[in-house]
Amino acid sequence: GQNIDQPTEMTATEGAIVQINCTYQTSGFNGLFWYQQHAGEAPTFLSYNVLDGLEEKGRFSSFLSRSKGYSYLLLKELQMKDSASYLCAVRRGGATNKLIFGTGTLLAVQP
Amino acid sequence: EAGVTQFPSHSVIEKGQTVTLRCDPISGHDNLYWYRRVMGKEIKFLLHFVKESKQDESGMPNNRFLAERTGGTYSTLKVQPAELEDSGVYFCASSQDQSGKREKLFFGSGTQLSVL
Repeated sequence: GQNIDQPTEMTATEGAIVQINCTYQTSGFNGLFWYQQHAGEAPTFLSYNVLDGLEEKGRFSSFLSRSKGYSYLLLKELQMKDSASYLCAVRRGGATNKLIFGTGTLLAVQP
Repeated sequence: EAGVTQFPSHSVIEKGQTVTLRCDPISGHDNLYWYRRVMGKEIKFLLHFVKESKQDESGMPNNRFLAERTGGTYSTLKVQPAELEDSGVYFCASSQDQSGKREKLFFGSGTQLSVL
């Protein structure tokens, strides 16, 4: 079956660093995505990993270990606007390239 | 550049009625996906169009759901007759090209469907 696990909620302080973990077990793997979603808005693309290692993009970084079925999203210098839901999604590959999503991690950034 | 747009943003209907959701993908995007999020659950895949053809409809719940994409532009998702368990947020997403390794999906804001 398909299973993607991530914490339901996290709280962090403005200016700090937070790491959101995601573990997955899927039949087929062709990349892992992180999306950010503010309440009532569209999920927006943050990062993509298909090879092991760290991808850095400004304040956000994402890491992947395919052998461990594990990824994390690292957010640095947290800002209040980073309060949102963070979605981990695995692309299975094949003809459709559909995404399998986790339930999302709701991050609350406090002053 | 306009993003993925969905209409309506909210729809409240009674059990047994019919509802049609519309999605306008980003211009030039051949791939169009429908996803659904039921309250408290993860976003789940419904189906995938490449232009006007259904590439994968393995996620469609049952034959009360009908998706079309005439002309390979906008898409509609009709639920007829609606049941209580159909309530949720229906997302549409589009992408330009499947061959690229970094192909990412652009999502719309979703249609919140409430069946009473």
